[in-house]
Amino acid sequence: DAGVTQSPTHLIKTRGQHVTLRCSPISGHKSVSWYQQVLGQGPQFIFQYYEKEERGRGNFPDRFSARQFPNYSSELNVNALLLGDSALYLCASSLTTGTNEKLFFGSGTQLSVL
Amino acid sequence: RKEVEQDPGPFNVPEGATVAFNCTYSNSASQSFFWYRQDCRKEPKLLMSVYSSGNEDGRFTAQLNRASQYISLLIRDSKLSDSATYLCVVNMETGGFKTIFGAGTRLFVKA
Repeated sequence: DAGVTQSPTHLIKTRGQHVTLRCSPISGHKSVSWYQQVLGQGPQFIFQYYEKEERGRGNFPDRFSARQFPNYSSELNVNALLLGDSALYLCASSLTTGTNEKLFFGSGTQLSVL
Repeated sequence: RKEVEQDPGPFNVPEGATVAFNCTYSNSASQSFFWYRQDCRKEPKLLMSVYSSGNEDGRFTAQLNRASQYISLLIRDSKLSDSATYLCVVNMETGGFKTIFGAGTRLFVKA
């Protein structure tokens, strides 16, 4: 069975540009969440979506947005990129939403903003 | 103050040693607790959930003390393959779902 897949694996952008990251959850999983991980730190929660509805949002500016599609895949969009947005962006899927749900992570998209 | 704080590490231990990691959380509304493991340049993977009654999975034992808002992970008989970063994770649902990861504690197990 395929795990969580993310694309692209690496991306280089310049300040002010826009970026779209994509995630396909494990088959049968209906919830997707997004995280930003800077080197040397733990992942920071950005969003959780379940059944196309936003269920949670972390402390990120409005430049960050996301959506979930009917097939449960998801996109993370970041506008007006800043140097500080350079990080590993991780997507995780879970069967449903809820605090007891176990997260299964993709291998991430490494974003570099120059 | 960070919402989830872990021992800064790194921990350097010989094979066969017992090592304990500590984690504290600040929000009493926290509902579920986990330990994840992250190898260098890889994604985090679930190690185990943490329950108030304590739980064990082979060489790994996790404990939760809700009164002290404290979580621990004990690794017995350390193996070289245990070398990784261990992440303490807290979930809550107050005004929306939220997952909070600690910064992680790096473990090096040496032969």
